[in-house]
Amino acid sequence: AQSVTQLDSHVSVSEGTPVLLRCNYSSSYSPSLFWYVQHPNKGLQLLLKYTSAATLVKGINGFEAEFKKSETSFHLTKPSAHMSDAAEYFCVVSDHAAGNKLTFGGGTRVLVKP
Amino acid sequence: DTGVSQDPRHKITKRGQNVTFRCDPISEHNRLYWYRQTLGQGPEFLTYFQNEAQLEKSRLLSDRFSAERPKGSFSTLEIQRTEQGDSAMYLCASSPGGDRVYGNTIYFGEGSWLTVV
Repeated sequence: AQSVTQLDSHVSVSEGTPVLLRCNYSSSYSPSLFWYVQHPNKGLQLLLKYTSAATLVKGINGFEAEFKKSETSFHLTKPSAHMSDAAEYFCVVSDHAAGNKLTFGGGTRVLVKP
Repeated sequence: DTGVSQDPRHKITKRGQNVTFRCDPISEHNRLYWYRQTLGQGPEFLTYFQNEAQLEKSRLLSDRFSAERPKGSFSTLEIQRTEQGDSAMYLCASSPGGDRVYGNTIYFGEGSWLTVV
């Protein structure tokens, strides 16, 4: 079985300051991990993915995430937040043994203050 | 637009009516997924297809729900005798399938909002 825990349901940052979204996972297999972003009333957009290559993964819009197996973590960061980063972010683990079915975390809502 | 397409984007229906959603995946993607998302929650897996074969169904998919992908291209999700608890966004997604590195990235559509009144 696999599961994902996003440690913060809400994160508030000021524009231009760093963003950190925390994610811990549990998986019986060597996992694939993803971060998706969802803007209000929109579908999900892939930010980045980890699939057992480099542990530091760079994504779109300046986001990156680091896979730490010893800590079972996959935290998402961005050095400088922009107003357009205000959205809901989901950490996701993929079950490669079951058709790549995705298991989502509960989400972290990011508020960016001017 | 070559992304995942869903129709309709919004549907308001009376309790007890049937509704059908359509999903057109990215061309040549052989895996297609349906997820459901309620307000304030992450998406939950409903079912997925490998080509035309429905390989897994979640326990969330009650007998009132049926999904098809008859020719391995587009898919439909039908909800019969809708209930207020069915109000949610229904997300379709597709992936190439295949190997772990390139095949397992899943791309989502914009979703179909269902409101049951």
